[in-house]
Amino acid sequence: DAKTTQPPSMDCAEGRAANLPCNHSTISGNEYVYWYRQIHSQGPQYIIHGLKNNETNEMASLIITEDRKSSTLILPHATLRDTAVYYCIVRVNRDDKIIFGKGTRLHILP
Amino acid sequence: KAGVTQTPRYLIKTRGQQVTLSCSPISGHRSVSWYQQTPGQGLQFLFEYFSETQRNKGNFPGRFSGRQFSNSRSEMNVSTLELGDSALYLCASSLGTGVTEAFFGQGTRLTVV
Repeated sequence: DAKTTQPPSMDCAEGRAANLPCNHSTISGNEYVYWYRQIHSQGPQYIIHGLKNNETNEMASLIITEDRKSSTLILPHATLRDTAVYYCIVRVNRDDKIIFGKGTRLHILP
Repeated sequence: KAGVTQTPRYLIKTRGQQVTLSCSPISGHRSVSWYQQTPGQGLQFLFEYFSETQRNKGNFPGRFSGRQFSNSRSEMNVSTLELGDSALYLCASSLGTGVTEAFFGQGTRLTVV
């Protein structure tokens, strides 16, 4: 079973920051937090991952709480092309088995 | 560089038949994983191969099998197809060692009639 809990859907206005929350209260010390997204009819796309420090790349920022029990993915300036299902996943890095939950369906509103 | 390539993109089969799907990973990647996606069950892990060996396996019946070749290309096979096997089958490749992200292909849409 997935070890994460996400809201089923969220709306965000185009141009605003989209903040997607994820709870992972049973995360182990050696498990990383990964985010993927899936745009309709395409394969999932890797976004970002982190262990305990906040991370930023060209796509997004990942904020992990100090106790690591939750995290937030931030898309700084959402566009219509960011409409997708976003998956938050915890996994150990020696293991390429990804257990997906139901994700959050993000709607970007024009 | 070329991405993950899955063939065929679409497939229609009849109940009871068997099917083989192919996945060519990104050059240099040694790990290939397979996933099944259906509207009811979402994305489910099937199995993972690394250097021609199955390293992880999900909770699917023995009708689902796979293999990996020395060039890291992978195939998955489903025998005795059932209507419920209709799904999008996704393949992902990664380096397979340490902190790595997985890159997914576009998938093969299998319809069983």
